[in-house]
Amino acid sequence: DAKTTQPPSMDCAEGRAANLPCNHSTISGNEYVYWYRQIHSQGPQYIIHGLKNNETNEMASLIITEDRKSSTLILPHATLRDTAVYYCIVRVSRGSTLGRLYFGRGTQLTVWP
Amino acid sequence: KAGVTQTPRYLIKTRGQQVTLSCSPISGHRSVSWYQQTPGQGLQFLFEYFSETQRNKGNFPGRFSGRQFSNSRSEMNVSTLELGDSALYLCASSPRDEYEQYFGPGTRLTVT
Repeated sequence: DAKTTQPPSMDCAEGRAANLPCNHSTISGNEYVYWYRQIHSQGPQYIIHGLKNNETNEMASLIITEDRKSSTLILPHATLRDTAVYYCIVRVSRGSTLGRLYFGRGTQLTVWP
Repeated sequence: KAGVTQTPRYLIKTRGQQVTLSCSPISGHRSVSWYQQTPGQGLQFLFEYFSETQRNKGNFPGRFSGRQFSNSRSEMNVSTLELGDSALYLCASSPRDEYEQYFGPGTRLTVT
């Protein structure tokens, strides 16, 4: 079962930062926060992941609160091509269920011109 | 490096038939996972293979099965197809346990 809560939809103006929140209040110490996105009818695309420190890559930044109960994915300059469903996933770092991702319903981000 | 490839991309089958879907992971990736996506249930985990062994299985009936070959390519099979099996079937590969998964474009299966 998904262990995350996300708003069903958000919108953002092109060129502005998109901040997508995720609640994972029951996260365990050995669980990472992963973000994926899925553009309509394509396979999900990996964006970023983190354990407790903030992370940044060429696509996005991930801010995880100190208590690790929530996080925010930031797309610094959203474009129309960022319109997609964004999934926040908590994933164990080791153990028998390692290879399994639990997808919730995600957030539909719509970027408008 | 080529991405994850899935064949066929689209498939139409009749209820009661069986179907086999194929997935070729990224070169060097040993873990392959399968997911089913439907509008009603979203993305659901089917099973995961690592080094030819099924390591994880989701809550799907026994009609859904899979296997992995020594070259890490994987197939999934659905027998006695039902209308509710119509879905996008996604395959994902990963080089090691702790790494992110890379998804293929999926196979769109329609059961009539």
